[in-house]
Amino acid sequence: DAGVIQSPRHEVTEMGQEVTLRCKPISGHDYLFWYRQTMMRGLELLIYFNNNVPIDDSGMPEDRFSAKMPNASFSTLKIQPSEPRDSAVYFCASSLGGRYNSPLHFGNGTRLTVT
Amino acid sequence: ELKVEQNPLFLSMQEGKNYTIYCNYSTTSDRLYWYRQDPGKSLESLFVLLSNGAVKQEGRLMASLDTKARLSTLHITAAVHDLSATYFCAVDKSSGSRLTFGEGTQLTVNP
Repeated sequence: DAGVIQSPRHEVTEMGQEVTLRCKPISGHDYLFWYRQTMMRGLELLIYFNNNVPIDDSGMPEDRFSAKMPNASFSTLKIQPSEPRDSAVYFCASSLGGRYNSPLHFGNGTRLTVT
Repeated sequence: ELKVEQNPLFLSMQEGKNYTIYCNYSTTSDRLYWYRQDPGKSLESLFVLLSNGAVKQEGRLMASLDTKARLSTLHITAAVHDLSATYFCAVDKSSGSRLTFGEGTQLTVNP
């Protein structure tokens, strides 16, 4: 099993540009999560999906952020337009869900720098 | 709103010593997770604690859960340098794996 795969690993972009982060969850996992990690705010849940359906997007900072999961093996997190305060490490994670007492399996993250 | 608090946030200890990291949470939950993160790396699952009184051990690390006190501990025995990392506890708010994380405890083990 290759684990959760995220791309790109690093992204440097200028303020105002669109940024798309990608995630492939572990096959068979029906929960997918997007987290953001910063020194100031720690790990924050942005949004999570169950069976490709968004369940809770209350952590999405504002309308500039959007996430999709068109199928069970792919999800995107888009920021448009990007701002310097969006600079962070964005993690995707997947799991089998609470009924299996399954921990979250995290990808390697995307380090986003907005200048 | 669920709050998860860890202490200490920073811990510097000598090799061979013992210490405990504490994780308090604010609302009822019977699932608690511990993760490890090395600098610049992802989060790795260490323990899943599912019920009151649960105890899990792996090598020099032992985790326990007291749901009545809303407290989990991560005990380090005879620390070694390889244990240097940031340790997070996380609580499952809704039985759907929606985890809320603590601030993390940055552990440094000095030779």
